[in-house]
Amino acid sequence: DGGITQSPKYLFRKEGQNVTLSCEQNLNHDAMYWYRQDPGQGLRLIYYSQIVNDFQKGDIAEGYSVSREKKESFPLTVTSAQKNPTAFYLCASSIKSRGEQFFGPGTRLTVL
Amino acid sequence: GQNIDQPTEMTATEGAIVQINCTYQTSGFNGLFWYQQHAGEAPTFLSYNVLDGLEEKGRFSSFLSRSKGYSYLLLKELQMKDSASYLCAASGGYQKVTFGIGTKLQVIP
Repeated sequence: DGGITQSPKYLFRKEGQNVTLSCEQNLNHDAMYWYRQDPGQGLRLIYYSQIVNDFQKGDIAEGYSVSREKKESFPLTVTSAQKNPTAFYLCASSIKSRGEQFFGPGTRLTVL
Repeated sequence: GQNIDQPTEMTATEGAIVQINCTYQTSGFNGLFWYQQHAGEAPTFLSYNVLDGLEEKGRFSSFLSRSKGYSYLLLKELQMKDSASYLCAASGGYQKVTFGIGTKLQVIP
């Protein structure tokens, strides 16, 4: 079965710790994205990547970092510099960077 | 810049028809997406309009007017399972997709 996976579904961290969220896809998609969703707000783009070894900042990249060493994987690190990290994080992929996006199940991060 | 407006909440009756509107201002506009998102879950793709007009897909239809910067999602024969948030998203410049805040639809018996 082709799809996009994120792990874990729920994640708890202490304030001041970095944490890395996993995103893997076996759809052979070139483009991958990270969004953050907060109550009452739409999906906000953190980072996106159109091709391996290349990525661009989205609208709210501060306090986050990514890597794209493999086509299948696009991990997101939430650093201690992110002031309000508690949120629902969604990873997505698409064939082309302006095409239909397929979303993973999301990771709900809570920073205590 | 990018700006997308859609109502935050709507209520409709089971079996009825509901129309969810979306207006957008997007530089380098390419097309308009609609996604459905149930509470606590990931969004799922419903439709993508590039050209003006209505596209029908079962109980769901989506309309686009590029000149007016306007789209709507039409849901017919509403079912309780249609209770969800409906996200309007515009594909625009710099190859990015910008999402609206979503319209939370409640279907009541």
